[in-house]
Amino acid sequence: DQQVKQNSPSLSVQEGRISILNCDYTNSMFDYFLWYKKYPAEGPTFLISISSIKDKNEDGRFTVFLNKSAKHLSLHIVPSQPGDSAVYFCAAHRGIQGAQKLVFGQGTRLTINP
Amino acid sequence: ETGVTQTPRHLVMGMTNKKSLKCEQHLGHNAMYWYKQSAKKPLELMFVYSLEERVENNSVPSRFSPECPNSSHLFLHLHTLQPEDSALYLCASSQSTGTNEKLFFGSGTQLSVL
Repeated sequence: DQQVKQNSPSLSVQEGRISILNCDYTNSMFDYFLWYKKYPAEGPTFLISISSIKDKNEDGRFTVFLNKSAKHLSLHIVPSQPGDSAVYFCAAHRGIQGAQKLVFGQGTRLTINP
Repeated sequence: ETGVTQTPRHLVMGMTNKKSLKCEQHLGHNAMYWYKQSAKKPLELMFVYSLEERVENNSVPSRFSPECPNSSHLFLHLHTLQPEDSALYLCASSQSTGTNEKLFFGSGTQLSVL
């Protein structure tokens, strides 16, 4: 049972336009959500997060939107830049016995075309 | 050196070999994790350690054996692996307390089982 899903394996966007990456989840017990970015041959790096009590969080060119009723979140990147080309993972969090459990989606490969 | 360091970066092993993956974190965190990333699949949580105590084992086969001797070091001992175990193995760390904590990942060990 996959609790976090990213249904688009890839996305191609022109430089300067908006990139929108989507993520759906099934477990209403998740208390916050994160986006990670991964370049080849590197580990994932944290990008932005949002608490389940909020519906929007913005950090520079990156904005995450959360729709709890639809169990859906999205990451908006505007304007998109070539350096944004990477795989983006959506993750949902719940705490376990003093640690942080993240459940990840499959990832979406974003390609920014010049 | 800062962050989360994993060695080796690449490993090729036969099904009868025994090898170990090593992870070291320099962030003062007290929770550590092993994740597995197979092609086109979500990152799968394998093991979680909080304050050097294993708090989660996600039905991982016994041919994978974790060890956490202290809060800075984490090992994954491998023996009699199968070709389907070929994947990227990622180590991560976090603070075990506090809300909205994020995981910091190493660059991973790319494992190939022949």
